Amino acid sequence: AQSVTQLGSHVSVSEGALVLLRCNYSSSVPPYLFWYVQYPNQGLQLLLKYTSAATLVKGINGFEAEFKKSETSFHLTKPSAHMSDAAEYFCAVSEGYSSASKIIFGSGTRLSIRP
Amino acid sequence: GAVVSQHPSRVICKSGTSVKIECRSLDFQATTMFWYRQFPKQSLMLMATSNEGSKATYEQGVEKDKFLINHASLTLSTLTVTSAHPEDSSFYICSAAVGTSEAFFGQGTRLTVV
Repeated sequence: AQSVTQLGSHVSVSEGALVLLRCNYSSSVPPYLFWYVQYPNQGLQLLLKYTSAATLVKGINGFEAEFKKSETSFHLTKPSAHMSDAAEYFCAVSEGYSSASKIIFGSGTRLSIRP
Repeated sequence: GAVVSQHPSRVICKSGTSVKIECRSLDFQATTMFWYRQFPKQSLMLMATSNEGSKATYEQGVEKDKFLINHASLTLSTLTVTSAHPEDSSFYICSAAVGTSEAFFGQGTRLTVV
């Protein structure tokens, strides 16, 4: 079964600093990989999605993620953090060979931004 | 982008009663809908997958008689929590997909059982 591991349940960075949220997947075959953001008491918003078309995936709000097969990683980065980036971030993997297959979520990382 | 709407966004019910949560795809026809549950400060756990016109497939450990899922049309799926108890209090989120395209998430429903 597919799974993802997010390292660090809480990450705190200063405004303007680099954001790095870590995610490792467990699969020998690259699945669909996702990063979602969740603001308090709201649903999920898709930040970006890996579909094997390109290893560096650019998403919304200045976020990007790089798929590294050798490291089974899909870390999320943003060069300069904004206060509005404070939220919960979930890495996720698709169970099947379709982005509409059921999605398995990581445990989440809460991102805090210090002024 | 595609819009998925959940209703209600918040609901409080008494222990022992049932509550229905609706998930609608507003601008597309969803062949597949997923229901997730999220406890405070935890991740989303898939409860079940439903395809229009067929019975839902429940994940291991999810009671199908307690969490009734109906996907009667291509734009509507409902989750009914029967005989709700305080431990059922949670954030419930649905997602909807058409064919092999991306799944879109609703805004979630906060259920509180008192």
